[in-house]
Amino acid sequence: EVQLVESGGGLVQPGGSLRLSCAASGFTFGTSWMHWFRQAPGKGLVWVSRINSDGSNTNYADSVKGRFTISRDNAKNTLYLQMNSLRAEDTAVYYCARGRSYYSESWGQGTLVTVS
Amino acid sequence: EIVLTQSPGTLSLSPGERAALSCGASQTVINSYLAWYQQKPGQAPRLLIYGASSRATGIPDRFSGSGSGTDFTLTISRLEPEDFAVYYCQHYRNSSLTFGGGTTVEIK
Repeated sequence: EVQLVESGGGLVQPGGSLRLSCAASGFTFGTSWMHWFRQAPGKGLVWVSRINSDGSNTNYADSVKGRFTISRDNAKNTLYLQMNSLRAEDTAVYYCARGRSYYSESWGQGTLVTVS
Repeated sequence: EIVLTQSPGTLSLSPGERAALSCGASQTVINSYLAWYQQKPGQAPRLLIYGASSRATGIPDRFSGSGSGTDFTLTISRLEPEDFAVYYCQHYRNSSLTFGGGTTVEIK
């Protein structure tokens, strides 16, 4: 069974940093594209970033480019999102997801980031 | 940037009825890159349809996707109680994924 478990969320002041982690199991992590998405309270889904299987290709939404960094450790089956210069508008539940480069077929339960 | 517009915003239907959810794109979309997700309150999204019309693993056949170009539809042939949720379409282009604003299917 595919499992994705996010951690690292919490309350942070504007301008601060957080690193989210996503522990993966139940599939071959090292061959999967991985994504981060977010959802502000009461709002819709927003794609944040993606990374290819070996970490050599990364992409970001314009809203986070230059502030967030996606990375992965295939030996640890873990995906990361380093978030710097956080703003109030970054407040959201952050989901990691596994899938293809252009859609995601399995999602974690999310971790809440509050910037205030 | 392609903008996806979902309509209606809210669909009020009874169990057993048919639901048709629309997703319109501001530019022509490649079918392979159009997906639909379902999200229930407090839960993560679930992939329903990819490639505009292919059902994801484990998705009941009452869910179907269709369309091409700029107009896409998610159809639920007969609503079950567990189908009342928010539905999002999603597109991929130029190394970026975008979502529509969502359609809420609520119990009438």
